[in-house]
Amino acid sequence: EPEVTQTPSHQVTQMGQEVILRCVPISNHLYFYWYRQILGQKVEFLVSFYNNEISEKSEIFDDQFSVERPDGSNFTLKIRSTKLEDSAMYFCASDRDRGSNQPQHFGDGTRLSIL
Amino acid sequence: RKEVEQDPGPFNVPEGATVAFNCTYSNSASQSFFWYRQDCRKEPKLLMSVYSSGNEDGRFTAQLNRASQYISLLIRDSKLSDSATYLCVVTGGGNKLTFGTGTQLKVEL
Repeated sequence: EPEVTQTPSHQVTQMGQEVILRCVPISNHLYFYWYRQILGQKVEFLVSFYNNEISEKSEIFDDQFSVERPDGSNFTLKIRSTKLEDSAMYFCASDRDRGSNQPQHFGDGTRLSIL
Repeated sequence: RKEVEQDPGPFNVPEGATVAFNCTYSNSASQSFFWYRQDCRKEPKLLMSVYSSGNEDGRFTAQLNRASQYISLLIRDSKLSDSATYLCVVTGGGNKLTFGTGTQLKVEL
């Protein structure tokens, strides 16, 4: 079964540094998402992306965050100047069709630790 | 009021037991409903979609009551491998998923 893949599995970064999290969505999927989960808390939506532009973003997704699809396969999340509170699991997800009845497939996540 | 509300548990049940989880959601415009399962420090994995007519997948049965804005999951004949956190998830007009905090299930010998 095709999978969403994420790299790295664990990223340790000094506060204030930039970090890029990478995702390869399932190949025939058109909609891409980033979510985060702070330890012990619920999964939270960050941003959705379709047709090379952001379609929706949450309050969490402020000017420190950006997303990009630099080529036909990768989907990246950049955090420009990391803060301690950015420490979390970051999950990439994708789905195939427009319409909210499609379940999203999640990658196994990147654990981001800010020191 | 939380967008998606679940009892965090934990529910500790013996193997073979039947266990039910409930979830309520606040947005009456929510369109799609799912149960995801999450193992410790892993990604959410789709367990099943939830339909108004109710649906069953093996030992798992999901129900949706739109009038009461209430979703349920029933697990029959619990297995040790069912131990996990069960996430109630809804979508609104867009595609973003809104998650509950999850209900933790521990199945014991």
